[in-house]
Amino acid sequence: AQKITQTQPGMFVQEKEAVTLDCTYDTSDQSYGLFWYKQPSSGEMIFLIYQGSYDEQNATEGRYSLNFQKARKSANLVISASQLGDSAMYFCAGNSGGSNYKLTFGKGTLLTVNP
Amino acid sequence: DAGVIQSPRHEVTEMGQEVTLRCKPISGHNSLFWYRQTMMRGLELLIYFNNNVPIDDSGMPEDRFSAKMPNASFSTLKIQPSEPRDSAVYFCASRDRGLGELFFGEGSRLTVL
Repeated sequence: AQKITQTQPGMFVQEKEAVTLDCTYDTSDQSYGLFWYKQPSSGEMIFLIYQGSYDEQNATEGRYSLNFQKARKSANLVISASQLGDSAMYFCAGNSGGSNYKLTFGKGTLLTVNP
Repeated sequence: DAGVIQSPRHEVTEMGQEVTLRCKPISGHNSLFWYRQTMMRGLELLIYFNNNVPIDDSGMPEDRFSAKMPNASFSTLKIQPSEPRDSAVYFCASRDRGLGELFFGEGSRLTVL
């Protein structure tokens, strides 16, 4: 099974600066996926970025990048040039073949971007 | 393309009443998930279907909860009888492949008085 840990309940960042949201995972499977979702105050779940366990390069999607360190079992989300609209809850999630590919979520990190 | 469609968006009911939440996944997706979100417990996976067959229902809290997927385009989550502790946002999500991302519906906010 995949276990996801997010140790930062809340983070603050100044507008236009970069911020890193931490995520560690724990699985014994060789094939797995790691995901980040954003949940603004309106409540919807928005997919941001995906990293496969066999991907050699760190995933990037616009201002989002995933700092994947396999040996450390970490999959941190980096948001560059923060904007006020980035204020939201961010969830790290993971799945694996050994757990039938069900997606397990961390507890989330509430990011606040200050003007 | 339409996303995952959930109904109702909001439901307020009294303890003991039956609640039925509905979900239409994205066409062509073969996996469907029901999650529950509360402040205390975060996002919990309740049940997961693959090709309309329940694969993992270990997250279903108790016998009061049941879920069905009679065909590839429709699923229901039923709570009978409902209790105040069932108050939460219930999300449905679908996926088209094993390691792919989940696409979420907008959620159904349930309040049980």
